[in-house]
Amino acid sequence: AQKVTQAQTEISVVEKEDVTLDCVYETRDTTYYLFWYKQPPSGELVFLIRRNSFDEQNEISGRYSWNFQKSTSSFNFTITASQVVDSAVYFCALSGWTGGFKTIFGAGTRLFVKA
Amino acid sequence: DVKVTQSSRYLVKRTGEKVFLECVQDMDHENMFWYRQDPGLGLRLIYFSYDVKMKEKGDIPEGYSVSREKKERFSLILESASTNQTSMYLCASSSEDGDEKLFFGSGTQLSVL
Repeated sequence: AQKVTQAQTEISVVEKEDVTLDCVYETRDTTYYLFWYKQPPSGELVFLIRRNSFDEQNEISGRYSWNFQKSTSSFNFTITASQVVDSAVYFCALSGWTGGFKTIFGAGTRLFVKA
Repeated sequence: DVKVTQSSRYLVKRTGEKVFLECVQDMDHENMFWYRQDPGLGLRLIYFSYDVKMKEKGDIPEGYSVSREKKERFSLILESASTNQTSMYLCASSSEDGDEKLFFGSGTQLSVL
C-alpha cells in the first residue's frame, strides 16, 4: 500500500524564520513521483515541485528547497526566511505504479507565518 | 493561463437531494479527478477518468457517481446527499505526458443540512 505521512498538523513561525515541513512516504514501487502542493487561503492547490524516484538530487528554488532521501523515505520541504505570504496549507503527495499513478496526498501541514 | 473551473464556490443542499458538481478544464487534458478534502484527512480520491466516457473508482466512491460525456467536463453526482458528504470538493486534471502534475480548481464547499 502507498501512504504519505505529514506528522506536523500546524506550524507557527515568525517572519524571517526558516521552517521545515516533514513528509514521510511508503511505497513498494521502484518508480514513483513525489510532489509538494501549496493551498493558500483562496483554496486552489498550486503545484510546487515534482521529483521522480531516480533523482535524489536536492533542489532549490529561491527561498524554497527540497531534501529527498530514499534511505529514510522522506521528502522534506524547507522555506528559508519565511514571509507572511507563505502562510498556507502544504501537501506532500505520492504517485506510483502500484496505484496506477493516481496521486495520494498526506493530511497537510498548515503553516502560519506571523509578521 | 491554464484553468480548471468548478461551477460553484459554495453550495448548500438538503439531505436526500441530488447534487451535481461540475468541473471544466481548458487544457485539453485526458485525465480528470475528483477529490474531497476534510480536516486532518488531506485529499481523498473519489473518482477519476482517463478518457471520455471512462470512469474509475478511487478510494472513497461510495455515495458518488461521475459522468464524463465530453473531454473537458467531469461531473460529480451525489445521488442522495447525506450530512457526512459535507466537505470541500476539489476537481483536478492532468495530461498524459507522464509528469503526473495536477492542476486544481478552486474547490466547492458543499454543506448538506
